[in-house]
Amino acid sequence: GAGVSQTPSNKVTEKGKYVELRCDPISGHTALYWYRQSLGQGPEFLIYFQGTGAADDSGLPNDRFFAVRPEGSVSTLKIQRTERGDSAVYLCASSVSGTANYGYTFGSGTRLTVV
Amino acid sequence: RKEVEQDPGPFNVPEGATVAFNCTYSNSASQSFFWYRQDCRKEPKLLMSVYSSGNEDGRFTAQLNRASQYISLLIRDSKLSDSATYLCVVRPMNRDDKIIFGKGTRLHILP
Repeated sequence: GAGVSQTPSNKVTEKGKYVELRCDPISGHTALYWYRQSLGQGPEFLIYFQGTGAADDSGLPNDRFFAVRPEGSVSTLKIQRTERGDSAVYLCASSVSGTANYGYTFGSGTRLTVV
Repeated sequence: RKEVEQDPGPFNVPEGATVAFNCTYSNSASQSFFWYRQDCRKEPKLLMSVYSSGNEDGRFTAQLNRASQYISLLIRDSKLSDSATYLCVVRPMNRDDKIIFGKGTRLHILP
């Protein structure tokens, strides 16, 4: 597609439920990143994929969070047993591998609200 | 110490004025630097990269001081449409890897 697409745009879930957030990167972009942004904060790194593998998952806050990218394109961020503190905007970005001196293109995010 | 630190503002500036933001970073080995702009309830968008020699894009000038580990953004002849949050961004490694965001500086341009 023309840009990074994230679905759903909004998700309201009850505490304790499981959610999946989807990211469809720009075609041909091998690098994919997930960030989380809470109100009044800058985006916080969660995980980075290079192709199908997670190259850096050091930002995942705990083992309730997991992400996959099985075919090296679409990625899914999975959150188990959601907590109210998980409420945030989850941003996905992609970039062309090897363009270390350029920024990323972000999707418009998924606003997750845990009630 | 946070990896990237910015004054959160808000900066309230009259239209037409010049405004400058600074940002400091803690990792002296950091390789790439950027300014992003984020409008309310929107995703961050790349405003400009920051080069060692300093660079300009229209009314925007970015500077990097590696010795003092700070980055600056100068906006001249500010417009109402410049109202946004400006995020300072650092890439620690010179390869595909995560980029680190500051909290952002909020700018309000007043008519």
